Amino acid sequence: DQQVKQNSPSLSVQEGRISILNCDYTNSMFDYFLWYKKYPAEGPTFLISISSIKDKNEDGRFTVFLNKSAKHLSLHIVPSQPGDSAVYFCAASDETSGSRLTFGEGTQLTVNP
Amino acid sequence: DGGITQSPKYLFRKEGQNVTLSCEQNLNHDAMYWYRQDPGQGLRLIYYSQIVNDFQKGDIAEGYSVSREKKESFPLTVTSAQKNPTAFYLCASSIVGQTGTDTQYFGPGTRLTVL
Repeated sequence: DQQVKQNSPSLSVQEGRISILNCDYTNSMFDYFLWYKKYPAEGPTFLISISSIKDKNEDGRFTVFLNKSAKHLSLHIVPSQPGDSAVYFCAASDETSGSRLTFGEGTQLTVNP
Repeated sequence: DGGITQSPKYLFRKEGQNVTLSCEQNLNHDAMYWYRQDPGQGLRLIYYSQIVNDFQKGDIAEGYSVSREKKESFPLTVTSAQKNPTAFYLCASSIVGQTGTDTQYFGPGTRLTVL
């Protein structure tokens, strides 16, 4: 039962363009969402998060959008840079699960120079 | 210089041997977690602990054991009962009890290869 799903295993974009990574969830109790970035053979690093009381959160080149009715969130990176090439995971939590996160499968982003 | 350390970076063991992976944090976080990542898959939760001397099973706890005797340490033992132990193991920690701040911070990981 995959409660958090990233349907695109990979995405390729040109440098300077926008990257849009998508994530869907099924558990309506989720109230906090996070994006992590991971390079090979390293631990994931926290990128940006959003609470369910908001529909948008922005941090520099990174913006996360949340559509609660569609149970969908997306991460926008603009402009994309070659150093953004990594695997991106979305994750979700709810109050009943305490501090436990549920992760998606990840999307490999490749930004071509 | 706070953070999470995992050692060693690479670990090789023979089939049938137990092996313990180290995880230490000096962030004063209450909660600690162990995940495993397999190629092309997301992070799957093995065990987690929200307080010293207490821990819970995650989604794939079979063949693993943990202890939490100190706040800063959460070692994971991969036992011979784990059928497919070769994987990348990640440890994480977080503050507990603050709604909307369930951000977990990860260590660099340990690549375990069972020969």
